[in-house]
Amino acid sequence: GENVEQHPSTLSVQEGDSAVIKCTYSDSASNYFPWYKQELGKRPQLIIDIRSNVGEKKDQRIAVTLNKTAKHFSLHITETQPEDSAVYFCAAGYIFGTGTRLKVLA
Amino acid sequence: DAGITQSPRHKVTETGTPVTLRCHQTENHRYMYWYRQDPGHGLRLIHYSYGVKDTDKGEVSDGYSVSRSKTEDFLLTLESATSSQTSVYFCAISESMGNQPQHFGDGTRLSIL
Repeated sequence: GENVEQHPSTLSVQEGDSAVIKCTYSDSASNYFPWYKQELGKRPQLIIDIRSNVGEKKDQRIAVTLNKTAKHFSLHITETQPEDSAVYFCAAGYIFGTGTRLKVLA
Repeated sequence: DAGITQSPRHKVTETGTPVTLRCHQTENHRYMYWYRQDPGHGLRLIHYSYGVKDTDKGEVSDGYSVSRSKTEDFLLTLESATSSQTSVYFCAISESMGNQPQHFGDGTRLSIL
């Protein structure tokens, strides 16, 4: 079955800096790669997704890249703000990574 | 926010008792999912449904069963709860594709003593 690995598990950045979270997947048939943000005690929320026929997608300060050959995809957050602090999950289809706790230091 | 209601929101019960969690949606979405969330494991898929009376197993289905008799309701049952099933349970829905959970409910915190 599908396996998704996510790194790093924790990430601290200064406000205004960029943050990058990386994921790898095992099933070459996977074709949908969403990212979720989960604030403490809240539900996961879909923030951006990318499909296998697209290499990059951007939405304001967040962007995702996909390398199907290498089977990895990444989330990029630019100009980070304190409200970006949360746990971020990648997924390949409905299989999730283990999460990255992002802390943005003011 | 998508119309997803999970009930109960919190439950404490004893080992060996049956437990049923309910997910109710008002979006008329075809696909529904049950996940559990545990520290260090992220979200793991328990079961999912692709239509009324159509369900399938996920990654961690042992000890769980589901039923979907109506589009809007997806029930998760622990036939005989064990302490290892203490977790936060999330329901999710998606509209058009079976591997794309889009909207999550607020979760049910279940403690089994």
